[in-house]
Amino acid sequence: DAGVIQSPRHEVTEMGQEVTLRCKPISGHNSLFWYRQTMMRGLELLIYFNNNVPIDDSGMPEDRFSAKMPNASFSTLKIQPSEPRDSAVYFCASSFIPSRGADYGYTFGSGTRLTVV
Amino acid sequence: AQSVAQPEDQVNVAEGNPLTVKCTYSVSGNPYLFWYVQYPNRGLQFLLKYITGDNLVKGSYGFEAEFNKSQTSFHLKKPSALVSDSALYFCAVSPNDYKLSFGAGTTVTVRA
Repeated sequence: DAGVIQSPRHEVTEMGQEVTLRCKPISGHNSLFWYRQTMMRGLELLIYFNNNVPIDDSGMPEDRFSAKMPNASFSTLKIQPSEPRDSAVYFCASSFIPSRGADYGYTFGSGTRLTVV
Repeated sequence: AQSVAQPEDQVNVAEGNPLTVKCTYSVSGNPYLFWYVQYPNRGLQFLLKYITGDNLVKGSYGFEAEFNKSQTSFHLKKPSALVSDSALYFCAVSPNDYKLSFGAGTTVTVRA
């Protein structure tokens, strides 16, 4: 298994532009998470999907952020318009979770380092 | 609400010496506890977890962690550290649902 695959690895964009981050979870996993990592705030959960359905998006910063999971093998996180304060490393993780229980470790992708100038 | 504290930003040890990375947690009910490691420019890698059962949990790369309910701690340990263990270590807790809360991380440096 190739693990969780994220693209691109690095993204530099100008303020105001749209940014789309992509994630392919591990085959067979039914849960997908988007995290943001910054020095100031550490790791923050942005959104959680279970069986392709968004379950918890309370961590999404504001309306500029949106996430989709059209099928079990693909998810996107979009920022429109982007701002310099969005600069961070964005991680995707997948796991297999029953309806209640998180007793399986997550598998993280290598992340996308986003820089908004 | 659940939370995790990693009281040390940095831990420095000499190669061959024991390594301990501290973690305390606060959660209602019985917690699920995890340790992850992050190498530079990489994602987090799962090391070990405590769900139930034996308080001493063994994980990858020779690491182990001890769950102490009375002290609400879950310290990560390795008897003999290697230079290659130098990385950022995260403790995480889940209160029996999907949401993992991560600590701020502890940077471990093992000197040769």
